[in-house]
Amino acid sequence: DTEVTQTPKHLVMGMTNKKSLKCEQHMGHRAMYWYKQKAKKPPELMFVYSYEKLSINESVPSRFSPECPNSSLLNLHLHALQPEDSALYLCASSQGPSGRYGGGYTFGSGTRLTVV
Amino acid sequence: SQELEQSPQSLIVQEGKNLTINCTSSKTLYGLYWYKQKYGEGLIFLMMLQKGGEEKSHEKITAKLDEKKQQSSLHITASQPSHAGTYLCGADESREGNTPLVFGKGTRLSVIA
Repeated sequence: DTEVTQTPKHLVMGMTNKKSLKCEQHMGHRAMYWYKQKAKKPPELMFVYSYEKLSINESVPSRFSPECPNSSLLNLHLHALQPEDSALYLCASSQGPSGRYGGGYTFGSGTRLTVV
Repeated sequence: SQELEQSPQSLIVQEGKNLTINCTSSKTLYGLYWYKQKYGEGLIFLMMLQKGGEEKSHEKITAKLDEKKQQSSLHITASQPSHAGTYLCGADESREGNTPLVFGKGTRLSVIA
């Protein structure tokens, strides 16, 4: 299995809702990432988990809460989001802390989030 | 932090033509990655370069890293509609390879018949 699976593919939520994004990989990768991408912009790093521990939080608002229940799963819990949080949320994994060992990051196909 | 400049920002080429996309850094590129993205989808890994002067090819796509390790180019030969998409370069910022990737703004490629 050489894939990163993200669910759901599309999500529409109100500003008072609580929802979660899910990411799963079975490649034995020990680093997992959440990126946020706005239209026509590059992906922006949000969080990094290395060996199931949060190693980087890029000053992301607390309405985004990551969780890594085990080495194969990564969740992003969403609460009280704003319309400007609408974006494509990408999950990625790599063998080590960077993509240099094992041929780069493997990305999921993303979750298109719309906040109304 | 490292800034990656990509040029051109967008490109329209006729099918069958060759093209080149550039990625330039203000710092040494210890690991340089090329990805392709279709609109609204995830990033597809193309190639990784590490050594100065390194060149890799996959099908009709060739990527090079210059000797100074501050610039990379992506060359597509005989472009096809399937090559259309956004090409992003990414780099990790540390010699040790223990920092996450940062990305350039991307080059949007359109291939017309």
